[in-house]
Formats: sequence, structure tokens, C-alpha cells
Amino acid sequence: ILNVEQSPQSLHVQEGDSTNFTCSFPSSNFYALHWYRWETAKSPEALFVMTLNGDEKKKGRISATLNTKEGYSYLYIKGSQPEDSATYLCAFSSGAGSYQLTFGKGTKLSVIP
Amino acid sequence: NAGVTQTPKFQVLKTGQSMTLQCAQDMNHNSMYWYRQDPGMGLRLIYYSASEGTTDKGEVPNGYNVSRLNKREFSLRLESAAPSQTSVYFCASSDLVNTEAFFGQGTRLTVV
Repeated sequence: ILNVEQSPQSLHVQEGDSTNFTCSFPSSNFYALHWYRWETAKSPEALFVMTLNGDEKKKGRISATLNTKEGYSYLYIKGSQPEDSATYLCAFSSGAGSYQLTFGKGTKLSVIP
Repeated sequence: NAGVTQTPKFQVLKTGQSMTLQCAQDMNHNSMYWYRQDPGMGLRLIYYSASEGTTDKGEVPNGYNVSRLNKREFSLRLESAAPSQTSVYFCASSDLVNTEAFFGQGTRLTVV
């Protein structure tokens, strides 16, 4: 069983604040790292898929970085808005022959207006 | 624009009953997955199918069976439901493991 850890478990920020959270994963046999946004009563939706060490991806106010050598990825949200409130999941895949996508438990973000 | 469709959305079973959760995707994806989501546990992989004709166990396969009927459909069967299988079940599909996964809307199953 692959261990994918996310921290913090939850956080509350004020509207307009910037925030970031962490996903840690095994640094050996890395293949892909995914980030998903999961709103209450909906299904997870993909934000980013990253495969290369040093990758940085951006979508609007949300960006992510990847360090495969040390086994971590950061997700940043700039100028948080109430609509950013959701659980953010990361998922890890190891090795080109593996089709398992292992999820962390998520970071629950609440943005206070 | 259906994406991944799961049925049913809600189900209540008695202990020992059987049922099949259906999942279909219309994106011509190779890989399909079944996850369960429990409070504080995140999404845990039950079974996956890398491609049509193949299935493999994930992290929590006990008590479940799956069938990859064709490229579109991947079903999850509970042969004898137990209260421990009360959960929200999600089906997902992706073209490859390094491309984004698309999720169904979930099935909330309660076993009493």
C-alpha cells in the first residue's frame, strides 16, 4: 500500500488570504501526481496532473509544484475566495506498469467571507 | 456530455443481500476504477481495470467482485453485503494513469 500524506487535514482562511498545502508521496518509482478539487455533494474534479520533477502548473489563482526527488508537491491558492472552499485531494501513481491511483485523505479548506 | 454515469445514486440493503453497482463512461477511456469513500479515510481503491478484459485488486478488495463488461462498462458486485460496506462508492475512468481521472456522481450505499 502506497502512503500518500496530505497536510494540514483542514484549515480556515480569511477571504483574500493566500494559502498552500502539501502532498507527500514515495520518492521511488514516481510516475504521476494528480491534484483534485472536491466540493461537498459533488464528485472530485481534476486540477492538475504532473509527471516531471520541477513541474509547475497554474490554473487561474491555483498553482502547483512538484518535487519527485524528495517526494512532495505543493498546491497554492492566491487570494482565496469563498468558492475555493472544498477538499483538495492529491493522488499518486508509481511506475509505468501500475494503473493504481492512490489518494491522500485530503485537505479541507474553508474560506471565511 | 455524460462522462461517467453511475447507478443507482442511493441504495439501502439488508445484511446478506447482494447487488451490483453499474458504471459506464462515454469517453473511450482505457482504465476504470472503483473507490469507496469513508469519513476520515479518503478515497480507497477497491478494484481497477487497466484495460478491457483485465481487472486487478486495489487496497480494499475483500467482499467485492468486478466485471469489465466492455470498454465502456465496469460493474462492482457485493455478493453478501455487510454493514462495514456502508460507504459512498465512486467510479472513475482515465485514458492513462498519467492523465486526469473523471469521476461519477457517487452511490451512497447503506447496509443495515
